[in-house]
Amino acid sequence: GESVGLHLPTLSVQEGDNSIINCAYSNSASDYFIWYKQESGKGPQFIIDIRSNMDKRQGQRVTVLLNKTVKHLSLQIAATQPGDSAVYFCAEIHGNNRLAFGKGNQVVVIP
Amino acid sequence: DAGVIQSPRHEVTEMGQEVTLRCKPISGHNSLFWYRQTMMRGLELLIYFNNNVPIDDSGMPEDRFSAKMPNASFSTLKIQPSEPRDSAVYFCASSLGQQGDEKLFFGSGTQLSVL
Repeated sequence: GESVGLHLPTLSVQEGDNSIINCAYSNSASDYFIWYKQESGKGPQFIIDIRSNMDKRQGQRVTVLLNKTVKHLSLQIAATQPGDSAVYFCAEIHGNNRLAFGKGNQVVVIP
Repeated sequence: DAGVIQSPRHEVTEMGQEVTLRCKPISGHNSLFWYRQTMMRGLELLIYFNNNVPIDDSGMPEDRFSAKMPNASFSTLKIQPSEPRDSAVYFCASSLGQQGDEKLFFGSGTQLSVL
């Protein structure tokens, strides 16, 4: 029979507005975090990373915030564009040096 | 650099057939990873190599799956015999493999359909 797919959390945002994507990570010992963007039919693409000794890092139009107290990571996208429509994954490294990926968040940009 | 190159892009096969997926990592990268992506489970790590040596294959579902890395520029993931539940997108990724730089670079994936 047909399996039921996992419905990703979806954020719909108007073009030009700012987007905030949230991620709760699992392991308090994780010391490195990455945000990936995956467009339809493509592999995940690196966006930005942050280490646990930082709480904020900025890139071009993107900012990552890390709150270790509540094990929370967020990605802010400024002036969202249609090309930002994708699934966004957070990933963490803990222990054995392997990235563990979250389930992903779908971002839909409305023109 | 052309990035991580995977082939084929799409594979449709019948249950019981052998499937071989191929990957060429980025030149100079020492670590190579095979991931499987499905809607139900998301991205799952199957196996990873460092300097051509398998380091952790605990994610390999069962004995039907095997992976090799005969040299620094080539790896294969084989499924024999294939089953419908193996249908997924399989990604290969590579990284420098150095402490302090664990960024993975992914290929475009192989969409596998087992009928």
